[in-house]
Amino acid sequence: DQQVKQNSPSLSVQEGRISILNCDYTNSMFDYFLWYKKYPAEGPTFLISISSIKDKNEDGRFTVFLNKSAKHLSLHIVPSQPGDSAVYFCAASRTGNTGKLIFGQGTTLQVKP
Amino acid sequence: DAMVIQNPRYQVTQFGKPVTLSCSQTLNHNVMYWYQQKSSQAPKLLFHYYDKDFNNEADTPDNFQSRRPNTSFCFLDIRSPGLGDAAMYLCATSSDRGLGYTFGSGTRLTVV
Repeated sequence: DQQVKQNSPSLSVQEGRISILNCDYTNSMFDYFLWYKKYPAEGPTFLISISSIKDKNEDGRFTVFLNKSAKHLSLHIVPSQPGDSAVYFCAASRTGNTGKLIFGQGTTLQVKP
Repeated sequence: DAMVIQNPRYQVTQFGKPVTLSCSQTLNHNVMYWYQQKSSQAPKLLFHYYDKDFNNEADTPDNFQSRRPNTSFCFLDIRSPGLGDAAMYLCATSSDRGLGYTFGSGTRLTVV
């Protein structure tokens, strides 16, 4: 019973183009969503988040879109850079649930020069 | 820099031999979490401490236990490691049930 799913294990894009990473969730109680980035041999680092009261949040090259009716969120990276190559995890939480995050399986992004 | 430190980075243990993984933090965060991540799978929450209150996930095996002697340190004890316990173990902290964690670099456990 996986409540957060990232159905694409990997994604390859050309430098300068847009990377779009997708995430689906099943629990309608989730009200906060986050993206983490993980390099090999390092722990995940926080990238960007969005509350369920919004449908878009932007931070520099990174934008997260939330479609509550579809229970879907996506991370857009524009323009993609080789240093963005990493594993990206989507995570979800619900207020009052002790801050527990439920993670997706991750998507490995490769940005080719 | 305030951070979350996990030791060791790599741990090899024998089948059935107890092993302890450690996590320390300088962030003074109330909450500490332990996640297990197997290859190509989602990190799975094992348990967490809110201050001294221990919260076990329903599906965490009894083989896994944790201790938090003070705010800064948290330990993961695996009483009798099996081959299926080989994984990356991630420690994370957050403040007052706030959202968004700070993760350590993880300990990769190998069971031989």
